[in-house]
Amino acid sequence: QVQPVQSGAEMRKPGASVKVSCKASGYTFTSYDVHWVRQAPGQRLEWMGCINVVNGYTKYSQKFQGRVTISRDKPSITAYMELRSLRSEDTAVYYCASGLVGTFDLDFWGQGTLVTVSS
Amino acid sequence: QSVLTQPPSVSEAPRQRVSISCSGSRSNIGKNAVNWYQQLPGKAPKLLIYSDDLVPSGVSDRFSGSKSGTSASLAISGLRSEDEAHYYCASWDDSLSALVFGGGTKLTVL
Repeated sequence: QVQPVQSGAEMRKPGASVKVSCKASGYTFTSYDVHWVRQAPGQRLEWMGCINVVNGYTKYSQKFQGRVTISRDKPSITAYMELRSLRSEDTAVYYCASGLVGTFDLDFWGQGTLVTVSS
Repeated sequence: QSVLTQPPSVSEAPRQRVSISCSGSRSNIGKNAVNWYQQLPGKAPKLLIYSDDLVPSGVSDRFSGSKSGTSASLAISGLRSEDEAHYYCASWDDSLSALVFGGGTKLTVL
């Protein structure tokens, strides 16, 4: 099955950080950019940023600039999203999604990772 | 408030045709391609239409997309109960330098 596999649910306190992983499965890791999209409960999809897994070039939404880092490890065909200074409004399901390099056509989506921020 | 505007909900009877609109601006839909995603309850989104009107392999040809100016539409013909889902439009926004999504439309098959 062609689907990135994400790490499990996380719970954090306000002010902490979280790092979510996304491992490629069933497709060529280096042919696709990896995007991160989140969805708060009952809310719309929200794009956070993306990475070119070949050269490591990243692009971030201005909303998250300075608070998010997207990275990748080519040998383990895994991408990561780290979000810092968490607040309750960051409670959401975080998805990784792969799109052909240079496009924003998000072809393959991970199963999602629920991040809960609560004191 | 979303940069791309969609109706919150639409409904139609089985076997009928429904259309979902997505209104944007010159900085997004007016300049860049539109994609559509289907999100079934409790599931991850799925790419339904890309580059305004192209259907990915494996997606039913009951789904079609179109674009005119700063608006786009998704049409679903021969409605089935399994089409009940949320549908989101998306486009790159040059002003925001970000991929933006519509607020989503919940389709109910009566």
